[in-house]
Amino acid sequence: DQQVKQNSPSLSVQEGRISILNCDYTNSMFDYFLWYKKYPAEGPTFLISISSIKDKNEDGRFTVFLNKSAKHLSLHIVPSQPGDSAVYFCALFFSGGYNKLIFGAGTRLAVHP
Amino acid sequence: NAGVTQTPKFRVLKTGQSMTLLCAQDMNHEYMYWYRQDPGMGLRLIHYSVGEGTTAKGEVPDGYNVSRLKKQNFLLGLESAAPSQTSVYFCASAGAGAFSGANVLTFGAGSRLTVL
Repeated sequence: DQQVKQNSPSLSVQEGRISILNCDYTNSMFDYFLWYKKYPAEGPTFLISISSIKDKNEDGRFTVFLNKSAKHLSLHIVPSQPGDSAVYFCALFFSGGYNKLIFGAGTRLAVHP
Repeated sequence: NAGVTQTPKFRVLKTGQSMTLLCAQDMNHEYMYWYRQDPGMGLRLIHYSVGEGTTAKGEVPDGYNVSRLKKQNFLLGLESAAPSQTSVYFCASAGAGAFSGANVLTFGAGSRLTVL
């Protein structure tokens, strides 16, 4: 049973517009929620995180929102750029679990001119 | 600063053959992990290690063995490869302790394995 679900396998957005990537989870035990970005033929790289005690964290063009009651996480990218085209994974972090991450299936974002 | 290095990057095996994937990190991280990535499945944890000489099973450990003889190296072995093990394998490392930018998982570039 998947603990993390990214229900949209792909998303296409026009350059300059907002990209919204979504993630749902089932277990409330996690301390942090992370987003990783992955380009082809490269490993995933850490993008942004949010603590379970917060509902928003912003870093430049990237903002992550956490709705604990709905067990929902979203990543907003504004404005979207062609270089943002990649696969985005949400991941759950539990400090008591030797820092292991549990990943969603990923959403492939394509930003077109 | 190389970070996490995986070798080989590509390998083709026949069913029943054995092989070892090598992961090396130069960040003095305590924790190391092996994940596999399959279409529609995300990254799933195979095995992990919380220190030199220790290993533990992850979500999908069957068919794999691991060893952590040195702190900087984490080896993933396939004793008898099966087509179901065709995947992209990622090694990662992380520092120990409470969450911080220093102990977020850092990944290698991946090793693509095909089992015929």
